[in-house]
Amino acid sequence: GAVVSQHPSWVICKSGTSVKIECRSLDFQATTMFWYRQFPKQSLMLMATSNEGSKATYEQGVEKDKFLINHASLTLSTLTVTSAHPEDSSFYICSARDPSGLATGELFFGEGSRLTVL
Amino acid sequence: AQKVTQAQTEISVVEKEDVTLDCVYETRDTTYYLFWYKQPPSGELVFLIRRNSFDEQNEISGRYSWNFQKSTSSFNFTITASQVVDSAVYFCALSEAGWGGSQGNLIFGKGTKLSVKP
Repeated sequence: GAVVSQHPSWVICKSGTSVKIECRSLDFQATTMFWYRQFPKQSLMLMATSNEGSKATYEQGVEKDKFLINHASLTLSTLTVTSAHPEDSSFYICSARDPSGLATGELFFGEGSRLTVL
Repeated sequence: AQKVTQAQTEISVVEKEDVTLDCVYETRDTTYYLFWYKQPPSGELVFLIRRNSFDEQNEISGRYSWNFQKSTSSFNFTITASQVVDSAVYFCALSEAGWGGSQGNLIFGKGTKLSVKP
């Protein structure tokens, strides 16, 4: 079936550095991807909707200048955490919609990327 | 506003017991989708089921079964003869059927941590 892949699966970085996480749809072209964030023992919260060829739509309370999203192609969206700080440590998960599955609400999730900021 | 409530934060059972995970949702939409995902310690979300709002038939898949009741806005998940490998966090989620903007993303409940002891 359709696969969404994230890279890296885990990353440790120093405070103040920037980290880029990639989300790829492997079997289909995704005009829309979603980025979620999950703190330890918490639920998944939508951060932003990534739209191919246009600006991302951020949820209330999410800093767009800190979490840069680029969806330059139909198979790749990237999330860059700029000037990361320890409070940004979290599990980031992307999901992508298969357009052929529009009528059925089919969404596919990546494996997640665990970010630890020291 | 859309909302998903999983009132059970943690459940602990002994292997071979049956266990039901509750999910109650709120939405003003007449067309929507409900999901259950399993999240093992590795973090990856494992898709279990998707149900659209027009299909109230209960579903059984092996040891898993789901009871969708629109009258009570509930979509409960039952595991029969639980096994240690069922130990995970289970999320119930809701999605609008629309497209564009933030429509189509998932609203997650807070999750229920299931521990199955041998």
